[in-house]
Amino acid sequence: DAKTTQPTSMDCAEGRAANLPCNHSTISGNEYVYWYRQIHSQGPQYIIHGLKNNETNEMASLIITEDRKSSTLILPHATLRDTAVYYCIVRAGNQFYFGTGTSLTVIP
Amino acid sequence: GAGVSQTPSNKVTEKGKYVELRCDPISGHTALYWYRQSLGQGPEFLIYFQGTGAADDSGLPNDRFFAVRPEGSVSTLKIQRTERGDSAVYLCASSLFAALPTTGELFFGEGSRLTVL
Repeated sequence: DAKTTQPTSMDCAEGRAANLPCNHSTISGNEYVYWYRQIHSQGPQYIIHGLKNNETNEMASLIITEDRKSSTLILPHATLRDTAVYYCIVRAGNQFYFGTGTSLTVIP
Repeated sequence: GAGVSQTPSNKVTEKGKYVELRCDPISGHTALYWYRQSLGQGPEFLIYFQGTGAADDSGLPNDRFFAVRPEGSVSTLKIQRTERGDSAVYLCASSLFAALPTTGELFFGEGSRLTVL
């Protein structure tokens, strides 16, 4: 069962920040939030994950609200290659529930 | 190779036939996952191995589906008496550790596209 809710699709102008929201209101205290993306016809690719604190790596930033009921993935300078389906996942034990994700289209 | 390898990349079969899909994980990865992805949907969990044993097979849809990992490396997903509804992309992923969230990154293969006619 998917434990997250994401918008079905979003557009973002090339070079601008893409902010992808995710609701996970039933998250438990020890469950991590993971983000993956899937470019057409490829396997999903790991982006970032976090528990409570905000996280940043070379790909993106993850902002988690204080109550942990929602989070936002930020791609600081979107490029055309960032067009993909982005999955917000709450990891329950050893299972990753993917849901249907957000289809992000980066527009030139 | 350095990544997760899945074969075949495409498989077309007839209803009622038996199919095997193979996954070769990243060397040294102890955890291995199988997912199924239907058109327009996110990946759906099927089974997870830690070493040679199936630690969680709760996602297998019915007893026509079975998976093995006899030596703790390569895994085979087996589907008996295939049905048209089994048509999907079957994704394999491996991970260095499964039980530690801080190192739980999954590395996915490109998938095996199964079409049942």
